[in-house]
Amino acid sequence: DQQVKQNSPSLSVQEGRISILNCDYTNSMFDYFLWYKKYPAEGPTFLISISSIKDKNEDGRFTVFLNKSAKHLSLHIVPSQPGDSAVYFCAASAQGSGGGADGLTFGKGTHLIIQP
Amino acid sequence: DGGITQSPKYLFRKEGQNVTLSCEQNLNHDAMYWYRQDPGQGLRLIYYSQIVNDFQKGDIAEGYSVSREKKESFPLTVTSAQKNPTAFYLCASSGGSYNEQFFGPGTRLTVL
Repeated sequence: DQQVKQNSPSLSVQEGRISILNCDYTNSMFDYFLWYKKYPAEGPTFLISISSIKDKNEDGRFTVFLNKSAKHLSLHIVPSQPGDSAVYFCAASAQGSGGGADGLTFGKGTHLIIQP
Repeated sequence: DGGITQSPKYLFRKEGQNVTLSCEQNLNHDAMYWYRQDPGQGLRLIYYSQIVNDFQKGDIAEGYSVSREKKESFPLTVTSAQKNPTAFYLCASSGGSYNEQFFGPGTRLTVL
């Protein structure tokens, strides 16, 4: 049973436009969410995170929105650049459950392709 | 430079042999993790350790073992009991709750 779902395996966006990557989760205990960027045969690189006490977090071109009632989050990249082409993973954890620094639950990823 | 190192980058083993993957970090992080990635899949948690001399099973611990004798090191042994060991293995560390995990470059294990 997938607790974190990224329903779009791939997304193609024109350079300079906005990229929107979506993620849904089912576990209501999740209270910390992260986005990672990954190139083939490399480790994921952390992009941005958000805790459940917020509904938005922004860092440069990256903004993450959290809708707790819908159990949905999204990553917006604007403007999209060619170097943004990669696989993006959504991840979640239940940090406030008393378990401390538990492992993350990942979605299957969305391959973002930025076209010139 | 602070970071996480994994060695080797590529590893080949014969079926039935145990193999140990190395993971070292100099970020002074208490927590360390092992994940596995298969083609077209997300990362799945194998084992994690929140403090030295303590570790917990993740979602897919069967056929794997770990140790955490030092804060800097969290080696993973893939045993012959692991039915599908060929995969890309990623190690990560974290400074604690509500902190991001930093990942190493990964080790691609191929069992022949």
